[in-house]
Amino acid sequence: GENVEQHPSTLSVQEGDSAVIKCTYSDSASNYFPWYKQELGKRPQLIIDIRSNVGEKKDQRIAVTLNKTAKHFSLHITETQPEDSAVYFCAASKSGGSNYKLTFGKGTLLTVNP
Amino acid sequence: IAGITQAPTSQILAAGRRMTLRCTQDMRHNAMYWYRQDLGLGLRLIHYSNTAGTTGKGEVPDGYSVSRANTDDFPLTLASAVPSQTSVYFCASRDNGGYTFGSGTRLTVV
Repeated sequence: GENVEQHPSTLSVQEGDSAVIKCTYSDSASNYFPWYKQELGKRPQLIIDIRSNVGEKKDQRIAVTLNKTAKHFSLHITETQPEDSAVYFCAASKSGGSNYKLTFGKGTLLTVNP
Repeated sequence: IAGITQAPTSQILAAGRRMTLRCTQDMRHNAMYWYRQDLGLGLRLIHYSNTAGTTGKGEVPDGYSVSRANTDDFPLTLASAVPSQTSVYFCASRDNGGYTFGSGTRLTVV
């Protein structure tokens, strides 16, 4: 089955700096890669996703890049703010359709210091 | 109901007792999932259902069972709870993109 590795497990940055979280996956057939943000005591929420037919996707201060050859993808947050502090999870599946299950990384605790 | 609703929000359960965690969605999503979240281990899949009437085992299915009698409901049952099942349980559903998660059930087995 799919295996997703996520690094680092914790990340501390100063407000205004950039943060990068990296994930690798094992199954070359995976083609859908979402990222979730989970605030303390809350549910995980989808913040951005990318499919394997594109290499990069941006949404305001958040961007995701995908390298299919190397089987890794990354989340980039620019101009970080204290409200970006949360646990971030990457995930992978073979398709965006309903028949395929997401495999999650173990998460990255991001702390943005004012 | 808007999205996915889980109940109860939290529960303290004596070891050996039977417990059903409820999950209901109103988005008519075909696929539904149960995950448990433990510190340092991320989200691990317990059971899933691709459509009403079908279910499958995930990564950590032992001690849990599910049913999917209709599209909206996907209950998770612990037949005889053990302390290692202390966790936060999330139900999720999926259409053609990422998951939509419920708000979770915090279960403590003592």
